[in-house]
Amino acid sequence: GESVGLHLPTLSVQEGDNSIINCAYSNSASDYFIWYKQESGKGPQFIIDIRSNMDKRQGQRVTVLLNKTVKHLSLQIAATQPGDSAVYFCAENIGLGSGGSYIPTFGRGTSLIVHP
Amino acid sequence: DTAVSQTPKYLVTQMGNDKSIKCEQNLGHDTMYWYKQDSKKFLKIMFSYNNKELIINETVPNRFSPKSPDKAHLNLHINSLELGDSAVYFCASSQDRAGQGQYQPQHFGDGTRLSIL
Repeated sequence: GESVGLHLPTLSVQEGDNSIINCAYSNSASDYFIWYKQESGKGPQFIIDIRSNMDKRQGQRVTVLLNKTVKHLSLQIAATQPGDSAVYFCAENIGLGSGGSYIPTFGRGTSLIVHP
Repeated sequence: DTAVSQTPKYLVTQMGNDKSIKCEQNLGHDTMYWYKQDSKKFLKIMFSYNNKELIINETVPNRFSPKSPDKAHLNLHINSLELGDSAVYFCASSQDRAGQGQYQPQHFGDGTRLSIL
């Protein structure tokens, strides 16, 4: 069954505001947590990852926070822009796939709508 | 240059038919994947190949058969198509984690939208 889920299926924000997308996970053995962005008609695109031994990681306009105590992951987008409108997925990587590959399990996704 | 390309982009066919979706990656990755995304956007892994060998085969009907002629290609053949097969199928690739100090993300194609009439 699913081990990764989202609190909000849709998030609407105004351009320039900060966005926070939340995700809950259940498997303590996950070694990486990943965020992907999927624009309409496109495949998911990697945004940022965080290793399980970290609690915060920053990228360009994005910050991922990991709270292992409550098994919660969030993606913060600063100064949200219309181009940020997309579906955002969190995913967790559980252990090693055979052959040394990463095999993430995806959550259901949150639709972010940015109003100009 | 498209990193992961899959064809066709749209596939409309009738129940009972057999169809194939092709995927190619020019990133030099060792691992390729097929994912199925349903109408609610849920993305579920179907298969994974590493250097042409099957390493992941989730609970997928045996009507679905992946074929990897070389590590740059992973094709998906589907026999006796059913209504429930309607979905968007994504191909992806990634580099092996061995020897890497950081996460190696999947690179996805733009999907093949399969509609069964």
